[in-house]
Amino acid sequence: GAGVSQSPRYKVAKRGQDVALRCDPISGHVSLFWYQQALGQGPEFLTYFQNEAQLDKSGLPSDRFFAERPEGSVSTLKIQRTQQEDSAVYLCASSTQGGTEAFFGQGTRLTVV
Amino acid sequence: SQQGEEDPQALSIQEGENATMNCSYKTSINNLQWYRQNSGRGLVHLILIRSNEREKHSGRLRVTLDTSKKSSSLLITASRAADTASYFCATAPREAAGNKLTFGGGTRVLVKP
Repeated sequence: GAGVSQSPRYKVAKRGQDVALRCDPISGHVSLFWYQQALGQGPEFLTYFQNEAQLDKSGLPSDRFFAERPEGSVSTLKIQRTQQEDSAVYLCASSTQGGTEAFFGQGTRLTVV
Repeated sequence: SQQGEEDPQALSIQEGENATMNCSYKTSINNLQWYRQNSGRGLVHLILIRSNEREKHSGRLRVTLDTSKKSSSLLITASRAADTASYFCATAPREAAGNKLTFGGGTRVLVKP
């Protein structure tokens, strides 16, 4: 596709619900990143994939957060038993192997009520 | 937690004026990048400066990097109303796999017509 596509754009979840956020990276981009952006703050790194391998998940805040990229293209970020503090914009970015510029999607705004 | 600090947190200027914002970081870096984020949108890459560079220009943008002080500045000359956005610096640490970025808290810029 032309850019990084994320869905849904907006998600409202009741506390305790599970959610799944999808990211379609730019075709051919090897690297894929997930970031979490709280209101009024900069994005914070969650996890990184190179193809289907999850090479860094040091930013995942708890074991309720899980990400996968089984075929090395589309990625899903899953949050189990959502809490109010999970409310944020979740951004996905992709880049070429060895590339320095990250291309970001428009994000999914998650609101936990 | 975020590595970088940005200064000022908010900036209001008249169209045609210059806007300057600063970023400080803590660890050794491979490169430093600046991104723009319009309200409710994803991040757009503006410019990258490598650790062995001191200054870089791109159109109306000028970036400086002082690795001894672990700081960078972004100057937008002859600002336009369309420059209204949040601006984030992001560093790519030497030791990180891929191009994992650590963002600052951002500077919110308002350009008044």
